Amino acid sequence: DARVTQTPRDKVTEMGQEVTMRCQPILGHNTVFWYRQTMMQGLELLAYFRNRAPLDDSGMPKDRFSAEMPDATLATLKIQPSEPRDSAVYFCASGPEGSGELFFGEGSRLTVL
Amino acid sequence: AQSVTQPDIHITVSEGASLELRCNYSYGATPYLFWYVQSPGQGLQLLLKYFSGDTLVQGIKGFEAEFKRSQSSFNLRKPSVHWSDAAEYFCAVGASGNTPLVFGKGTRLSVIA
Repeated sequence: DARVTQTPRDKVTEMGQEVTMRCQPILGHNTVFWYRQTMMQGLELLAYFRNRAPLDDSGMPKDRFSAEMPDATLATLKIQPSEPRDSAVYFCASGPEGSGELFFGEGSRLTVL
Repeated sequence: AQSVTQPDIHITVSEGASLELRCNYSYGATPYLFWYVQSPGQGLQLLLKYFSGDTLVQGIKGFEAEFKRSQSSFNLRKPSVHWSDAAEYFCAVGASGNTPLVFGKGTRLSVIA
């Protein structure tokens, strides 16, 4: 059963530390999305890629967040330095060309102390 | 800009009762519309989607939704709720192709005996 895989599932870190979250999209899906979920803001788009090219990262704080796709099987979201306000659940989703449908991973829960 | 409004933050229904979750969207063209469900600690799972054609769409787990263009609505319904339906439900809107989805803030469903 194909699924989007995210690591780590849970991460607790201290303010100022670097955090890297990883995502393996479903094989054959050419679009990859990063969303952040918080109680206050709900689901917010951070960045997305099509065929590994970044198309929109306007939702990310550029000074501390970066998103990349080193290859078709790996997407990364990095926060450096992390801050308590970054505490949230970060979801990766992928989708096949033209379908409009997104398949979500189980999320990475980040707590920054 | 696209937007989605889910007017009800929390709904409680009795097991076996019918359910309707409301969703209103704002979008300039014909939207792609989705309902996702999220169980605690899990990612989002697609319940159903509307792209075109028949305005009444059937989904998994006995859910259905009706697209009403005149009301800019896409309400989710289920004739008889089961305790396992307790979860968070998200309505989302997107454009054609794999563009990012914009999500509503969600409606939390509680089911009582």
